[in-house]
Amino acid sequence: DIQMTQSPSSLSASVGDRVIITCRASQTVTTFLNWYQQKPGKAPRLLIYGASNLESGVTSRFTGSGSGTYFTLSISSLQPDDLATYYCQQSYRTPHTFGQGTKVEIK
Amino acid sequence: EVQLVESGGRLVQPGGSLRLSCEASGFRLRNNWMSWVRQAPGKGLEWVANIMEDGSVKNYIDSVKGRFTISRDNAKNSLYLQMDSLRVEDTALYYCARDFRGGHNDYWGQGTLVTVSS
Repeated sequence: DIQMTQSPSSLSASVGDRVIITCRASQTVTTFLNWYQQKPGKAPRLLIYGASNLESGVTSRFTGSGSGTYFTLSISSLQPDDLATYYCQQSYRTPHTFGQGTKVEIK
Repeated sequence: EVQLVESGGRLVQPGGSLRLSCEASGFRLRNNWMSWVRQAPGKGLEWVANIMEDGSVKNYIDSVKGRFTISRDNAKNSLYLQMDSLRVEDTALYYCARDFRGGHNDYWGQGTLVTVSS
């Protein structure tokens, strides 16, 4: 199975800060890399698919990049509504494994 | 509006069985791969299984192979997960999700809670 490793596991940042979350795959997933946001008590929501494609309706403050084994999710100008846990997922090969999650808190 | 509504979760004893259902609306189930993803209490997301549009291809994580069976009834716009030989570690909120072309999950239900305990 392809292992996905996110860092950091948690972070605390101020409103307006730029936040970067990284995701590494244990082998290449080309650009079959997706990012999800999960707010407390809610179902996950797709943010980015294909490494860099913004899902319809998602604010452009979220940006995804990378290919192969290294990927990043950037949140420009962090907002209180961004309080959530963020997960990467590879959909290159089944099982479509998730990273362990990155919890984003607001200072 | 696309909606996915899961049902069937409950408390069950170890070794027991359960069948989860997911009813889809707002789109034709027969045009999409579908997945089950679970989340143990306080833990991260774990992909469980997916199934091709016509049900001819099914994939599972190793820990549920031989115990869980994913299926679908496109005429009823419904997805299922038959769970047998349940273990304590299967305790989780089970989400049904639509796959876009067998890849990313663009729509999710709200989940149904399965608790395996004696």
